Amino acid sequence: LAKTTQPISMDSYEGQEVNITCSHNNIATNDYITWYQQFPSQGPRFIIQGYKTKVTNEVASLFIPADRKSSTLSLPRVSLSDTAVYYCLVVPYSGNTPLVFGKGTRLSVIA
Amino acid sequence: DTAVSQTPKYLVTQMGNDKSIKCEQNLGHDTMYWYKQDSKKFLKIMFSYNNKELIINETVPNRFSPKSPDKAHLNLHINSLELGDSAVYFCASSRTGAGTGELFFGEGSRLTVL
Repeated sequence: LAKTTQPISMDSYEGQEVNITCSHNNIATNDYITWYQQFPSQGPRFIIQGYKTKVTNEVASLFIPADRKSSTLSLPRVSLSDTAVYYCLVVPYSGNTPLVFGKGTRLSVIA
Repeated sequence: DTAVSQTPKYLVTQMGNDKSIKCEQNLGHDTMYWYKQDSKKFLKIMFSYNNKELIINETVPNRFSPKSPDKAHLNLHINSLELGDSAVYFCASSRTGAGTGELFFGEGSRLTVL
């Protein structure tokens, strides 16, 4: 499984766009990049998944450069309720492989 | 309708006791998991079941025994509880198949061993 590296913590003011970058230098050809969000006292929640270029949904955008060795989760106009831990994972396209969570990035949104 | 539900949400017990945590999912998924999140917030896979069959056991002490009576349920029984077992235990489920990076987690069961 490809190892991921992301900042331990980030601070942001409300209304700003937040970009969290994740490095995965050893990503394999068939690996997908997946991001999860975990609020205090809750289980992780799937946010977005992508393979290359850009993926957007109602929660976030995921930017993946051509070499796929990194990815950036972009949260537009964050609010206090976006305060959470964000996990970047690399998921093999093989099914039934348990997700391996790293330390994640603790995002604190300040009023 | 809670997709993945765990009971109890909180559990406080003495060392040496035996306890169980139940998990049920109503998503029709074939694969279920137990994860442990310790005080340092590391989230680690413990077990994975597919169609009631154990497929992953990540070096968990044999005091931990998962049981899957059917595809919708995966219970965790812990014998002879130790202080180090104190953690939040999360149940999760997913579809079986390629590219399924989406797990649905329960709200967690916080176990405190005194």
